[in-house]
Amino acid sequence: EVQLVESGGGLIQPGGSLRLSCAASEFTVSNNYMSWVRQAPGKGLEWVSIIYSDGTTYYADSVKGRFTISRDNSKNTLYLQMNSLRAEDTAVYYCARTPAAHYFDYWGQGTLVTVSS
Amino acid sequence: DIQMTQSPSTLPASVGDGVTITCRASQSISTYLAWYQQKPGKAPKLLIYKASSLESGVPSRFSGSGSGTEFTLTISSLQPDDFATYYCQQYNIYWTFGQGTKVEIK
Repeated sequence: EVQLVESGGGLIQPGGSLRLSCAASEFTVSNNYMSWVRQAPGKGLEWVSIIYSDGTTYYADSVKGRFTISRDNSKNTLYLQMNSLRAEDTAVYYCARTPAAHYFDYWGQGTLVTVSS
Repeated sequence: DIQMTQSPSTLPASVGDGVTITCRASQSISTYLAWYQQKPGKAPKLLIYKASSLESGVPSRFSGSGSGTEFTLTISSLQPDDFATYYCQQYNIYWTFGQGTKVEIK
């Protein structure tokens, strides 16, 4: 069964950094398109970033220059490095498989990031 | 950027009702549209992709239609498990979601 398990969330002060991880099972991260999607408390869904199987990356304007998506093929794990965090980055962060860079068919359970002093 | 607008924001309904949610795109997205169901504290679940293709394992009471800028998600006979929030998402240019429609008990 395909499974995605996120980790790394927590409480962080504004301006701080955090790295989220997403461990995948039953499929190969590097052979797929993988995304991060976030959801602020009580709000809707917002796409954050995507990495293509060829390594091409894209970011939402709201995080461009501050967040970096990457993967470790040996660990079959996706990452999101988040720097210069702001209060408005507070959200549950989901990783999701994104077939052909289209929709999101498998999602992790999410990890909560809270940016507050 | 492509904006996605769903209506209504809240939809009171009863078990057995047929319900329809509308999603409008700010420009044509062909059929590059997906629908998701999300329950509180859970990750979204893919229901429909390519506007009308039913994801494997999703009950046939869910259906999608539309192309261009106007799309609909229909639940033919609402079941207790269907009370949730529904989101549309376009993938024609980047990826954007609608604001959500909460289907609640009338």
